[in-house]
Amino acid sequence: DTGVSQDPRHKITKRGQNVTFRCDPISEHNRLYWYRQTLGQGPEFLTYFQNEAQLEKSRLLSDRFSAERPKGSFSTLEIQRTEQGDSAMYLCASSLEGGQGVLEQYFGPGTRLTVT
Amino acid sequence: SQKIEQNSEALNIQEGKTATLTCNYTNYSPAYLQWYRQDPGRGPVFLLLIRENEKEKRKERLKVTFDTTLKQSLFHITASQPADSATYLCALVGYSSASKIIFGSGTRLSIRP
Repeated sequence: DTGVSQDPRHKITKRGQNVTFRCDPISEHNRLYWYRQTLGQGPEFLTYFQNEAQLEKSRLLSDRFSAERPKGSFSTLEIQRTEQGDSAMYLCASSLEGGQGVLEQYFGPGTRLTVT
Repeated sequence: SQKIEQNSEALNIQEGKTATLTCNYTNYSPAYLQWYRQDPGRGPVFLLLIRENEKEKRKERLKVTFDTTLKQSLFHITASQPADSATYLCALVGYSSASKIIFGSGTRLSIRP
């Protein structure tokens, strides 16, 4: 399977714990995005990388959130001191940016986080 | 502030009819607009992209129109089938900044046999 993969698919954690999610993009894609989606809403942009550089972060991304893409391949999203409001589906997407701006994004299956 | 509205939360139509979904936006000048399909528990799947200087795009049974004067896109599925039942999302993309990708909340389409 050469699509975007995410791990784990589901995560249940207690409030105050730290969690880390992983995303493996399509191998030749240079852009990687993280989104958060709650029930009945569309995905909300969190951050994106061009290769290993984190170029933009949403104001939604509080100090408890951090993302890395150390070698320009896979990425991790860490949430520290989780809160119940962090419960959501976390989606990763990748795309190939070739000077024409953002074209179609390929999404992974998501990681569903439940904070109890 | 920038806003996208998709015409309704849910749309139910009879199999074989044409489904028409609406995406309206305000306070935004997109370079292009995308439509995605999302099934329950899965990530969105890209369907079509239309640029600001294009009026219409087609792909098999799908058609998208884009009117930058009305600030509206229409998404049509002709000869609809129960397998087309899903949530459809529109997304606006700015010229240079990835943070300008804004998704609508989606329209849940149900096609009854």
